[in-house]
Amino acid sequence: DGGITQSPKYLFRKEGQNVTLSCEQNLNHDAMYWYRQDPGQGLRLIYYSQIVNDFQKGDIAEGYSVSREKKESFPLTVTSAQKNPTAFYLCASRLTGAATEAFFGQGTRLTVV
Amino acid sequence: QKEVEQDPGPLSVPEGAIVSLNCTYSNSAFQYFMWYRQYSRKGPELLMYTYSSGNKEDGRFTAQVDKSSKYISLFIRDSQPSDSATYLCAMSDDNTNAGKSTFGDGTTLTVKP
Repeated sequence: DGGITQSPKYLFRKEGQNVTLSCEQNLNHDAMYWYRQDPGQGLRLIYYSQIVNDFQKGDIAEGYSVSREKKESFPLTVTSAQKNPTAFYLCASRLTGAATEAFFGQGTRLTVV
Repeated sequence: QKEVEQDPGPLSVPEGAIVSLNCTYSNSAFQYFMWYRQYSRKGPELLMYTYSSGNKEDGRFTAQVDKSSKYISLFIRDSQPSDSATYLCAMSDDNTNAGKSTFGDGTTLTVKP
């Protein structure tokens, strides 16, 4: 089955630790995105990548880092510099070009304890 | 002020009712308008995708875009308990912006049997 896989589904982190969220897609999509969703709020863009080995900051990139070494993979690292990391993180991908749908993974819920 | 404002809800209706979900926006460059449905603790899934102004119908769902008023709506006819979810509107300008979308905060809908 084609789709986007995020892992793990739930993640707990101690304050001061870095943690990496996984996102893998087998849809052969060029563009991939990371969003953050807080309760009662919409999605805010953290980072996006249109091509391998290239990525750009979104609206709330501070305290996060990404890499895009393979077309299929776009991992997100939440660093200790992120002041309020507890949130629901969503990865998405789409074909580049106008009028194309973005497909979302099932999300990772990160809790800092 | 946010670029995209969505009626906050929550909204509770009896089964069979017609539901109207609405968003306004301020960026006149938006050309692509989407509605996503998100079940609790899941990733969003695309319901409707509209380019520019006009109506689009898909089964019980109708999306309307009025660019002159910067207003979009999603209508659900004969609502079902399975329609209970959070609905997110999203918009983007064109592909030169890497397909990034700006999301509303979502409206949570409950359809009671």
